[in-house]
Amino acid sequence: EDQVTQSPEALRLQEGESSSLNCSYTVSGLRGLFWYRQDPGKGPEFLFTLYSAGEEKEKERLKATLTKKESFLHITAPKPEDSATYLCAPENDYKLSFGAGTTVTVRA
Amino acid sequence: SQTIHQWPATLVQPVGSPLSLECTVEGTSNPNLYWYRQAAGRGLQLLFYSVGIGQISSEVPQNLSASRPQDRQFILSSKKLLLSDSGFYLCAARVSLNTEAFFGQGTRLTVV
Repeated sequence: EDQVTQSPEALRLQEGESSSLNCSYTVSGLRGLFWYRQDPGKGPEFLFTLYSAGEEKEKERLKATLTKKESFLHITAPKPEDSATYLCAPENDYKLSFGAGTTVTVRA
Repeated sequence: SQTIHQWPATLVQPVGSPLSLECTVEGTSNPNLYWYRQAAGRGLQLLFYSVGIGQISSEVPQNLSASRPQDRQFILSSKKLLLSDSGFYLCAARVSLNTEAFFGQGTRLTVV
């Protein structure tokens, strides 16, 4: 059975304090790994797709990396507007299996 | 660009009442469609997915059903709601495999 574990569950950062989020997965036949951002009461918003180990993607203060068993989302010098829940979702066949997410709070 | 219209945004229903949530997609044809449920503090649980009209796959045995009467319309239904059906329901679509899913804004369902 596919399993996705995200850690930590919650992360409180001071503005400018960089950190990393972890997504560990056991998925047979990984087709890709997706990262999303979700604001309270909203649908998830797509950030990145990673397809192979060693791949990296960047968008503003966010950088996602992928290994064979994990993906990391690095937040560099975060701002309060980066506060959200970040979800990872490895894909197997037609389906995206979502982790429970990491809720990031950035204080000014 | 692709968009998903999902309604209503919030819904409060008594136990035992029926349910119908509708989702329509604009900006693409023949998408793969998905219904997810998100419980508080938990990840998105895949309920149903569809690769074409009339083709529905169920991921979890439950009190819910799904239908796809038109290419870009996906409906989630229940004949009798349970308290455990409460949650945040999200419709998603993919243009094709290996592309990202885009989501609607969700329906917050509270069964009382």
